[in-house]
Amino acid sequence: EDKVVQSPLSLVVHEGDTVTLNCSYEVTNFRSLLWYKQEKKAPTFLFMLTSSGIEKKSGRLSSILDKKELFSILNITATQTGDSAVYLCAVEQGGSEKLVFGKGTKLTVNP
Amino acid sequence: DAGVIQSPRHEVTEMGQEVTLRCKPISGHNSLFWYRQTMMRGLELLIYFNNNVPIDDSGMPEDRFSAKMPNASFSTLKIQPSEPRDSAVYFCASSLLQGETQYFGPGTRLLVL
Repeated sequence: EDKVVQSPLSLVVHEGDTVTLNCSYEVTNFRSLLWYKQEKKAPTFLFMLTSSGIEKKSGRLSSILDKKELFSILNITATQTGDSAVYLCAVEQGGSEKLVFGKGTKLTVNP
Repeated sequence: DAGVIQSPRHEVTEMGQEVTLRCKPISGHNSLFWYRQTMMRGLELLIYFNNNVPIDDSGMPEDRFSAKMPNASFSTLKIQPSEPRDSAVYFCASSLLQGETQYFGPGTRLLVL
């Protein structure tokens, strides 16, 4: 059965800390891995990763994929209270457009 | 661009009633997805359409759930009859092409009493 496992489930840090969120997957016919940020509403797209070892970066957020070890990490440096959200990892299967989501990591950044 | 539009945003109904959720995808997007999100199960794909045709409905929980996409700019998800365990947030998402990023609507928060 296809599955995506995120860790930790919950994380509480102070402003300025650096955090690393993990996502491992077992999916047949892997096509891409995506990261979404969900605050109190809809998930919003962060990154799409298709190739191993190539870091995607957007401001303080960055992500990398390891297709050999079947995992990805999302790094957030110099965290701010506005980074508080649930971060979702999803894997897309080739040949379809289905996304299999992990349960998410709930990040709380305290001032 | 208005993004994906869903209605209603909130729905409270009684067990046994019919519920219809509506979605308008981003104009020009060819794929539309219906998801359900609960605390226990996270975000789950229910069904998706490509060019208005249902491609995969393996995530639809049971016969009480049905979805239609009569044209490129409108889709419905219907639950009949509704049950308390259907209470969840239902998201609609759309993407331009296969393999492209999915953009989510604001969701419909459904509570079945």
